[in-house]
Amino acid sequence: QKEVEQDPGPLSVPEGAIVSLNCTYSNSAFQYFMWYRQYSRKGPELLMYTYSSGNKEDGRFTAQVDKSSKYISLFIRDSQPSDSATYLCAMNTQGGSEKLVFGKGTKLTVNP
Amino acid sequence: DAGVIQSPRHEVTEMGQEVTLRCKPISGHDYLFWYRQTMMRGLELLIYFNNNVPIDDSGMPEDRFSAKMPNASFSTLKIQPSEPRDSAVYFCASSRAGQPQHFGDGTRLSIL
Repeated sequence: QKEVEQDPGPLSVPEGAIVSLNCTYSNSAFQYFMWYRQYSRKGPELLMYTYSSGNKEDGRFTAQVDKSSKYISLFIRDSQPSDSATYLCAMNTQGGSEKLVFGKGTKLTVNP
Repeated sequence: DAGVIQSPRHEVTEMGQEVTLRCKPISGHDYLFWYRQTMMRGLELLIYFNNNVPIDDSGMPEDRFSAKMPNASFSTLKIQPSEPRDSAVYFCASSRAGQPQHFGDGTRLSIL
């Protein structure tokens, strides 16, 4: 079993839709959870950074962590064509001072 | 503030040649990470440094790979001799303890 599983998609939605992206993981020691957005030929860009369980909201983006189920989600409200990118979940036990374990990414296309 | 800077952005070379990738972390960050991204395996850590000292190099594929961090503002990843299976996008990231990692835009390496 891989440490982090993420559906690669691709996912295609119309502009304005609510998008749900998910990852599952197997290591119960993971405490820090991140979502990165990666545009084509660019580096991963941090979107959300959360610690332990709960929700975090930033504009149109909401991150949820359910440690009991080992399941994390990213919701995008009112999706825009500029949200078209690959979304990577990442996690570890010690935040910035340790390697990140990544999902393989979900490719999202938002159609105008 | 300038982000993580990597050079070159693209490198094409023949099998057997030496390849050197360069990274300048964000000023004040004391952790530096080298990752490799491929379609098959996603993003995987190669090595990381704390205060210029290598902490975990368990992801370095083999002795052909080496990494150095001579000072807080510069790191290199060297492949010698290079092989076609080394073709990938190589990312550098930096962070402070307890803070998320920030990535450069990567070096796209092609070994012919």
